Amino acid sequence: SQTIHQWPATLVQPVGSPLSLECTVEGTSNPNLYWYRQAAGRGLQLLFYSVGIGQISSEVPQNLSASRPQDRQFILSSKKLLLSDSGFYLCASDIPGYTFGSGTRLTVV
Amino acid sequence: AQSVTQPDIHITVSEGASLELRCNYSYGATPYLFWYVQSPGQGLQLLLKYFSGDTLVQGIKGFEAEFKRSQSSFNLRKPSVHWSDAAEYFCAVGGGSNYKLTFGKGTLLTVNP
Repeated sequence: SQTIHQWPATLVQPVGSPLSLECTVEGTSNPNLYWYRQAAGRGLQLLFYSVGIGQISSEVPQNLSASRPQDRQFILSSKKLLLSDSGFYLCASDIPGYTFGSGTRLTVV
Repeated sequence: AQSVTQPDIHITVSEGASLELRCNYSYGATPYLFWYVQSPGQGLQLLLKYFSGDTLVQGIKGFEAEFKRSQSSFNLRKPSVHWSDAAEYFCAVGGGSNYKLTFGKGTLLTVNP
């Protein structure tokens, strides 16, 4: 069965520091991969999606970027974090169903 | 553009009572529809999904949902709620080759003993 690994689970970072969140998928190949953000009291917002290695589509203008260096690896990055980047970040894969990882809680201080 | 409306921000039910969570969507083609549950601090767990076929979909934990195209709805139901069902529930719609999902803002379910 498919498993999505996300790490770290919790992260506290100062404003202006860099960010790297990693997501890896097991049990499938050539999935579409997605990064979502959930801000406090709000629903989920799609940030990026990728249909293959090196292919990234951005849904909203923001301070973040994404990369897909391998088929089952999806990375969310920032060069300089803002306070508004705080939130709960979830990675998802569309194969075989739309499955989410356990998320990373990011607090920018 | 696709959108999802969950009209109820917070619902409180008694344990053993029936439950219906409402979801209305807007989508230009045949939608893929999902219901997820999220416990505090956790990721999203898929309860059920509708792609095509039978409009009454059975999911995990005793949940079911019915797709009604004429009403653009995909309401989630459970005949008898358990205290462990207390969580936040999200409806989502998507489709197309890139399969992006749009989520509702969620319904928080409280279960009274």
